[in-house]
Amino acid sequence: AQSVAQPEDQVNVAEGNPLTVKCTYSVSGNPYLFWYVQYPNRGLQFLLKYITGDNLVKGSYGFEAEFNKSQTSFHLKKPSALVSDSALYFCAVRAPDSNYQLIWGAGTKLIIKP
Amino acid sequence: DSGVTQTPKHLITATGQRVTLRCSPRSGDLSVYWYQQSLDQGLQFLIQYYNGEERAKGNILERFSAQQFPDLHSELNLSSLELGDSALYFCASSPLDPGPHEQYFGPGTRLTVT
Repeated sequence: AQSVAQPEDQVNVAEGNPLTVKCTYSVSGNPYLFWYVQYPNRGLQFLLKYITGDNLVKGSYGFEAEFNKSQTSFHLKKPSALVSDSALYFCAVRAPDSNYQLIWGAGTKLIIKP
Repeated sequence: DSGVTQTPKHLITATGQRVTLRCSPRSGDLSVYWYQQSLDQGLQFLIQYYNGEERAKGNILERFSAQQFPDLHSELNLSSLELGDSALYFCASSPLDPGPHEQYFGPGTRLTVT
């Protein structure tokens, strides 16, 4: 079965430190990969996506993600965390031969401490 | 602002009742998706419409139904409501399918069933 795993329910990082939010997937073929962020009482916002090409993808708000095909991972990263980055982060995957549905991870709560 | 609008923002109703949630997609987007987000189950895909036709179904209960109208707005109907239906309901839209398009989310409707 196709699935997406975000192994950490919560990640705590000090402001100014680098952050990583992990995502691994199990999808047939070459998937499309997405990261979304949800701030409190708001809808989800698109951050970045990987379709093909360079394994390092840059997105909004200084975030980037690294696609690793051999490890089937798509970890979200940022070199220097801000308190305002505190939010809920979702990884999502779509198999290219799917019926267009996204498979969503359970979400990771990111807490940046001043 | 994603360009996706949802009404109402909040809805409080009693068990056994029926409610209708409304979504207007971004200008030009033909696909509309409905999601349910609850504390204990994360983000659950319910149903997708593309240019007026049902495209994909997820974990949508038989008590729930949706449609997309010729002007591309969509409505999600929830009937015989139960306490467990209390959740945030999101609508998202995306451009033409197929393609690795990201989804743009509305602000959500918070449904409380008492």
